[in-house]
Amino acid sequence: QVQLVQSGAEVRTPGASVKVSCKASGYTFTAYYIHWVRQAPGQGLEWMAWINPNSGDTKNAQKFQGRVTMTRDTSISTVYMEVSRLRSDDTAVYYCARDGSLDNWGQGTLVTVSS
Amino acid sequence: DVVMTQSPLSLPVTLGQPASISCRSSQSLVYSDGNTYLNWYQQRPGQSPRRLIYKVSNRDSGVPDRFSGSGSGTDFTLKISRVEAEDVGVYFCMQSTHWPPWTFGPGTKVDIK
Repeated sequence: QVQLVQSGAEVRTPGASVKVSCKASGYTFTAYYIHWVRQAPGQGLEWMAWINPNSGDTKNAQKFQGRVTMTRDTSISTVYMEVSRLRSDDTAVYYCARDGSLDNWGQGTLVTVSS
Repeated sequence: DVVMTQSPLSLPVTLGQPASISCRSSQSLVYSDGNTYLNWYQQRPGQSPRRLIYKVSNRDSGVPDRFSGSGSGTDFTLKISRVEAEDVGVYFCMQSTHWPPWTFGPGTKVDIK
């Protein structure tokens, strides 16, 4: 079955960076885009970006341009998302999800930004 | 960006009774290929979102048939024919017709009266 397993919770101070991983299994890794969606505490869902695991091409939402970088390692079916210049309002659960239809989601990674 | 709205934002329901959630988009969600890319997600407390319905009315595998989706253009509805205790959570609609960005509704919280 399709599984997306994310890395564990992180705590960072403002201005720092964080890198979250998402390991895929149960399907052909390079056949489906991976998207990132975040959810601030008690809030709704916000789409951030996608990566094409086959080509490495990426696309960010306008508000994350210049702050979000995605990479992938096809040998271990894993994608990574790094968010730089963290602010307190970046505190959220970050999810990876498969395909443009967001059909399968990871378990989420809580990133806390606090001084 | 396409703005998604939902109503109501809070929906207390009685077990065994029906429930209905409305989702509206700021522009038509019909894509050039003729499909309408409107999905519904359920997020139970403490869990990740789970896709229930894709392309307006197609139920995902394992989703009980008490869930159904309908609508067209800019107006969509998720119905639960008889609410069960396990249906408690927040329900989101999402469009992926006009991207980027993919956009979500604010969510409707369903709980038991």
